[in-house]
Amino acid sequence: AQSVTQLDSQVPVFEEAPVELRCNYSSSVSVYLFWYVQYPNQGLQLLLKYLSGSTLVESINGFEAEFNKSQTSFHLRKPSVHISDTAEYFCAVSDLIAPGGGADGLTFGKGTHLIIQP
Amino acid sequence: GAGVSQTPSNKVTEKGKYVELRCDPISGHTALYWYRQSLGQGPEFLIYFQGTGAADDSGLPNDRFFAVRPEGSVSTLKIQRTERGDSAVYLCASGIGTHTDTQYFGPGTRLTVL
Repeated sequence: AQSVTQLDSQVPVFEEAPVELRCNYSSSVSVYLFWYVQYPNQGLQLLLKYLSGSTLVESINGFEAEFNKSQTSFHLRKPSVHISDTAEYFCAVSDLIAPGGGADGLTFGKGTHLIIQP
Repeated sequence: GAGVSQTPSNKVTEKGKYVELRCDPISGHTALYWYRQSLGQGPEFLIYFQGTGAADDSGLPNDRFFAVRPEGSVSTLKIQRTERGDSAVYLCASGIGTHTDTQYFGPGTRLTVL
């Protein structure tokens, strides 16, 4: 069984300051890792994902996340946040090999509400 | 192009009633997922369809929950004898159905059971 822990339910940060949203996972098998974002009054959308290769992955809007296998972490970072980054951020995992041999559902964390203060 | 759509956007029902929630996936997507998101929680996986068949229904909480996708496109999540604990936002997502796949989420249906 998999689980995802996002320890921080809320992270307030000033505009243009750096931010890190923490994500730790537990799984008995290798996993794929995802960050999804939910902007106010919008649906969930993919921010970035780690499948294989380089452990550092980047999004188009300046976020990055690093897969750390030894620490079972996939923390999300941005060096300078903007007011438009205010949203709920969800970390999620998927088994490399699903029980049925195909894609299965994602296991999500509880989410972290990023609050940007002017 | 059109994204995933879900209807209704809000549904209020009484305890014990039957409800149906509809999901229209992105055209051409063979994979369809249902999730449930309770207040203050992340989405919780319910069921996954590949084409018309349910490839993984391990997340359905009990036999009051059932989902169909008869023609491999639109899906309906059906809840019998609703309980107050069923109140949540029900999310649908679609994708091409591989492990590297991005799941595209709809806006959700907010179900309130009085």
